[in-house]
Parts: sequence; structure tokens; C-alpha cells
Amino acid sequence: DAKTTQPNSMESNEEEPVHLPCNHSTISGTDYIHWYRQLPSQGPEYVIHGLTSNVNNRMASLAIAEDRKSSTLILHRATLRDAAVYYCILRDLYNFNKFYFGSGTKLNVKP
Amino acid sequence: EPEVTQTPSHQVTQMGQEVILRCVPISNHLYFYWYRQILGQKVEFLVSFYNNEISEKSEIFDDQFSVERPDGSNFTLKIRSTKLEDSAMYFCASSDAAITDTQYFGPGTRLTVL
Repeated sequence: DAKTTQPNSMESNEEEPVHLPCNHSTISGTDYIHWYRQLPSQGPEYVIHGLTSNVNNRMASLAIAEDRKSSTLILHRATLRDAAVYYCILRDLYNFNKFYFGSGTKLNVKP
Repeated sequence: EPEVTQTPSHQVTQMGQEVILRCVPISNHLYFYWYRQILGQKVEFLVSFYNNEISEKSEIFDDQFSVERPDGSNFTLKIRSTKLEDSAMYFCASSDAAITDTQYFGPGTRLTVL
């Protein structure tokens, strides 16, 4: 499994933007970049995914570097409910079998 | 919005007993998964299931584990003889990989082995 590297933890103030980085220097051409989050005592939850172009949805934005070796998940206005562990995961286009969850980034949102 | 459901939410069992964890995936999904998360640790892949057979399994998924889709709606994980170290949250997930490749996770079953 191609590896990703994320900071162990980050802190943000409520209603401010948050940029969560992820490095994936060994990414292959067929790897999609997925982001999931896990709220306390819940199962993982899909946030966003992309291949090459930046992506936006109602939850977040995903900015992908031109060389695809890194990406950034952007929460435009953090709320207390966004406090969670955020996982950056690489997924091969042709392998539907599993996700490899690393340690993720624990986001703390301060009121 | 459709969701993955799991029962029971909490299962307590004695070491050596068999347990069956149940999941109802989203109805039009074709790929099914089990993951586990030991308290305070990472989410770990156990097994994936497609077209009524296991497509991939991890080294954790040994002979004590089995999966089944007994009917058109349920997906089960059986542990034949539980060990203390099987205590964990078990998450079921499903996806329609052909369309979105997004995995939808259930709320989990907390298994406690005494």
C-alpha cells in the first residue's frame, strides 16, 4: 500500500479555516486520494476524494499538488462538530478491496 | 439517505465462545468489508467480499474468522472461538465501487471478550 504521512494533531479555532496536509510521495498514477474522518465513538465517514484536479463538496475542498505528491484538505469554517481524526488514504483505481488507514490527524477545534 | 446498519451495538462474550456480528449494507452496493479498531489504535482492514466470495483478507483474518452473506441483505462476521485480544470495535462497510468508490461505514459493534 502506498503510504501517506500526516501530522499527528492540529488545532483550530471555531469558524476559522483549517488546512490539513498529507504527503504521499510514492503515489502512483492510478491512485485516488481519499479523505475520511472519524468522529469520537463513530465509524469512519467519507469526506472527499480526487485524482488530479482540486475538488469541492459541501463538506470540504481538496487541493492536490501539481506533482500529486501532496494534498491538503480544507475545511472552510471549522465547527466544534469537525473535531475528529482525519485520514488521508490512497486508493488504487483498479483495486476495490480495502482502504489502508494510517494514524491520521487528530483535529481539535477550540470555541 | 441510505446507511449501513450493524447489530448488536455492543456484544459481551466469554473467551472461547462464538460470536456473530451482523451488518446490513446499503441495498444496491456490491462490495462489502469488515474492519476492526482496537481501543486507541488504528482502523485495520480485515476482509473484503464481492460476488459471494472473499476478494482479499488481511493476516488478522485467520481461520477463526469467517464471513457470509446469507441472504440478499445481511453480511455477517463470525468469530468461532473468541480470544481476549479480539475485543475491539468492528466496523462493516459497503461500496458501489463501479460508480463512486466511496466506502460507507456502519456505526460499529463493540465486542468485549471476558
